[in-house]
Amino acid sequence: DGGITQSPKYLFRKEGQNVTLSCEQNLNHDAMYWYRQDPGQGLRLIYYSQIVNDFQKGDIAEGYSVSREKKESFPLTVTSAQKNPTAFYLCASTEYRGTGRGYTFGSGTRLTVV
Amino acid sequence: AQTVTQSQPEMSVQEAETVTLSCTYDTSESNYYLFWYKQPPSRQMILVIRQEAYKQQNATENRFSVNFQKAAKSFSLKISDSQLGDTAMYFCAFMIPQGGSEKLVFGKGTKLTVNP
Repeated sequence: DGGITQSPKYLFRKEGQNVTLSCEQNLNHDAMYWYRQDPGQGLRLIYYSQIVNDFQKGDIAEGYSVSREKKESFPLTVTSAQKNPTAFYLCASTEYRGTGRGYTFGSGTRLTVV
Repeated sequence: AQTVTQSQPEMSVQEAETVTLSCTYDTSESNYYLFWYKQPPSRQMILVIRQEAYKQQNATENRFSVNFQKAAKSFSLKISDSQLGDTAMYFCAFMIPQGGSEKLVFGKGTKLTVNP
């Protein structure tokens, strides 16, 4: 079955460490997105990518980095520059054809700073 | 910038009754899409219903329907015959499908509890 796989489900980070969240899709979707979810804040866009080897900053990109070397993969690195990384992170994808079909989401990664 | 406002942080309803969740949005565009997503305690985001702005007819999906008022920029979700499984966070979202990013802009969500 096609879908989006995020791993790990839970991740713990020590102060000053970089960590990478994985996002893989087998839907042959062109565009991929990373959102951060905090209580009472809804979902806020971190980064997005429309095609391989290209990506753009979203609304809260500071302290994060991404890569898009393959169509299927869009990993997110939370760097030590991100001062408050504890949150729930969601990856999503969609066809990039102006269809407005909405996103397919992964099941998320819960990141906690210890 | 496009914004989405959900004015009800929390709501509750008795099983089998009907509840309406409110959503307003702000845009100067004429062509766009609106969505309601459901996030149950599992935290998996599930698409509930989708509305195309150029269609005047309100979208329906089984027990879920919307009241789309384009002039008022309002997009409410009605859940009929509420079930315990409807307990979840509900997010209203907005997208402009131009040759850019098709970014979804989300509201802050409404936590719905269905009581037995």
